[in-house]
Amino acid sequence: DQQVKQNSPSLSVQEGRISILNCDYTNSMFDYFLWYKKYPAEGPTFLISISSIKDKNEDGRFTVFLNKSAKHLSLHIVPSQPGDSAVYFCAASYANSGYALNFGKGTSLLVTP
Amino acid sequence: DSGVTQTPKHLITATGQRVTLRCSPRSGDLSVYWYQQSLDQGLQFLIQYYNGEERAKGNILERFSAQQFPDLHSELNLSSLELGDSALYFCASSAHGTSGRYEQYFGPGTRLTVT
Repeated sequence: DQQVKQNSPSLSVQEGRISILNCDYTNSMFDYFLWYKKYPAEGPTFLISISSIKDKNEDGRFTVFLNKSAKHLSLHIVPSQPGDSAVYFCAASYANSGYALNFGKGTSLLVTP
Repeated sequence: DSGVTQTPKHLITATGQRVTLRCSPRSGDLSVYWYQQSLDQGLQFLIQYYNGEERAKGNILERFSAQQFPDLHSELNLSSLELGDSALYFCASSAHGTSGRYEQYFGPGTRLTVT
């Protein structure tokens, strides 16, 4: 069963605007969450992570928000740039599983000039 | 460049054959993970090794096995290959908890085509 869900397969945003990518999870044991960026035929590239003891983490243009009660996290990219166009994967993990990653199906982001 | 290397980049083989995929983790990382990406299943965790020992297992078939060697490189062995095993196979490594961080860094992948 899919424990991590990204319900939007695609998103189109204008350059300079905010991109918001969403992710929902079902397993209450998850305590570490990550976002990865991926280009076709390449390995995922780590972007940003957040522990369940926090509700926000920022790194440059990227901010991840975690709402544990709603089992929801989101990635904000501000400002969006054409180079951000890629597939973004949400992933979740927990200690008893060795922090193995459970991935969502991904959201394809297109940033237009 | 993530610092994780995988060989070979591409592999084409026939059904029923056996192949070995190789992964070298980032310098200092003790933990290695293997993932499979297929069109219909997305990215799926297969198995994890930590400092030479199996730590966690995911959706790995009995025909598949892995090991991690004393120099920390890892190999994923796929046997009795079927058409459905065609996929991208990724290796990832992690410092596993250093400074409370558990992110994984992925290699470029091996594309396996079974004909």
